[in-house]
Amino acid sequence: GDSVTQMEGPVTLSEEAFLTINCTYTATGYPSLFWYVQYPGEGLQLLLKATKADDKGSNKGFEATYRKETTSFHLEKGSVQVSDSAVYFCALSGDGANSKLTFGKGITLSVRP
Amino acid sequence: ETGVTQSPTHLIKTRGQQVTLRCSSQSGHNTVSWYQQALGQGPQFIFQYYREEENGRGNFPPRFSGLQFPNYSSELNVNALELDDSALYLCASSPGPGTSLQFFGPGTRLTVL
Repeated sequence: GDSVTQMEGPVTLSEEAFLTINCTYTATGYPSLFWYVQYPGEGLQLLLKATKADDKGSNKGFEATYRKETTSFHLEKGSVQVSDSAVYFCALSGDGANSKLTFGKGITLSVRP
Repeated sequence: ETGVTQSPTHLIKTRGQQVTLRCSSQSGHNTVSWYQQALGQGPQFIFQYYREEENGRGNFPPRFSGLQFPNYSSELNVNALELDDSALYLCASSPGPGTSLQFFGPGTRLTVL
């Protein structure tokens, strides 16, 4: 079945540091890929998405490129801020009838001033 | 435009009891999916409702059941609660069952004692 693997956390960075969070996936067909963010005490917010190979999703300075050859969708940001502290989830949606989301375990990012 | 809302925010139950969680979908969305997020884990797909019928189910026992109403709102019912049912329950709505883009509510935190 479909699965998503995220790098182990937590991750602690200083403000303005470069961020990379690794994500790889296993799926049949051509899934859509997502990054969701969860701030403390809140639900999930869509951060960015990509629907086909070589697509780059971007939002709020975050970017991720859909790499079919390496089955990866790594999240990057050039300069993190304290406000980026949150839990980040990589997810995929298969091409089934209900487009359910399969999530990774998530990784906690803490950015210190 | 009203986003996805869930009620209650928090709930405490004892083992063996039954619980009902509620979700109102975003305006214009006719499909509702439910996810369980255990502490420190990514959300797991429970099931999806479309046109008032279950449209796909994850690996959850039958004591997890749901309903969808003509206004597209939905309920998640869990019978015979177990300690492991303690989790954040997330509802997500989408414009259709084959749409991978889902919008999440803030969740209901269920604690089973």
